[in-house]
Amino acid sequence: DIVMTQTPLSSPVTLGQPASISCRSSQSLVHSDGNTYLSWLQQRPGQPPRLLIYKISNRFSGVPDRFSGSGAGTDFTLKISRVEAEDVGVYYCMQATQFPLTFGQGTKVEIK
Amino acid sequence: EVQLVESGGVVVQPGGSLRLSCAASGFTFDDYTMHWVRQAPGKGLEWVSLISWDGGSTYYADSVKGRFTISRDNSKNSLYLQMNSLRTEDTALYYCAKGNGLLPDYWGQGTLVTVSS
Repeated sequence: DIVMTQTPLSSPVTLGQPASISCRSSQSLVHSDGNTYLSWLQQRPGQPPRLLIYKISNRFSGVPDRFSGSGAGTDFTLKISRVEAEDVGVYYCMQATQFPLTFGQGTKVEIK
Repeated sequence: EVQLVESGGVVVQPGGSLRLSCAASGFTFDDYTMHWVRQAPGKGLEWVSLISWDGGSTYYADSVKGRFTISRDNSKNSLYLQMNSLRTEDTALYYCAKGNGLLPDYWGQGTLVTVSS
C-alpha cells in the first residue's frame, strides 16, 4: 500500500497569514496514464470531508483561489495564501493512483 | 446539486451483520463509480470500497475483504454496503462518496456504525 505522510500534524496560524501543508508518498503517484492522482480534502469540525484540490493542482468546483496545490512524484504541498476563520479544520492528502486509496494522517489547522 | 444520504447505521454486537444504504440524487447515478469511506471516532479517513458504474467491478480494503460487500441498484439510485462478521474495529462513521474515476468528489454526511457488546 502507498503510505501518505503529512507534516506538520498541527498548524496554528494567524488570520490573514499563509499556511502550508506537506504530503509525501512512499512511492511515486504518477499513474501509467501520465496523471498524478493526488488530492487534498478539507474537513471542517462536525462536517464530512470536502474535495479541495485534485490531480495535484486543480481546484474543485466552488473552492476559493486562496487554496493552491503543487508538487510532483512523491512530494506535494497545499498552500492557503491568507487563512480565514472558515478554513479551520483538518486537511488530508489522498492518493487515487492505485488501490487501495490511502489518506495522510491529517493536519489540523487552527487559529492562533 | 449532488446529494448523498446514508442510512442504516446502528449499534450491533460483534459478529453481527448490517446493511448500509446511500440514496443519491442530483446527478446521473449510473454514470459514476461510488465509494464507501469510513472514519473511526476521532481518527482519520480510511477508504473501504469502490464499485464501478455498472456494478461489474468492485474493490475492497484488505481490512474488510471477505466480510463486506458493496453493491448498487441503478434503478433506485442507491448504493449499499453489506457488512458481515462485524468487529469492534469497524466502529466508524461511514460515508458514501460519488466517484469521478477513482477520485471521491462529493461526500454524504455519514451514518454511524457502532460495534459493541
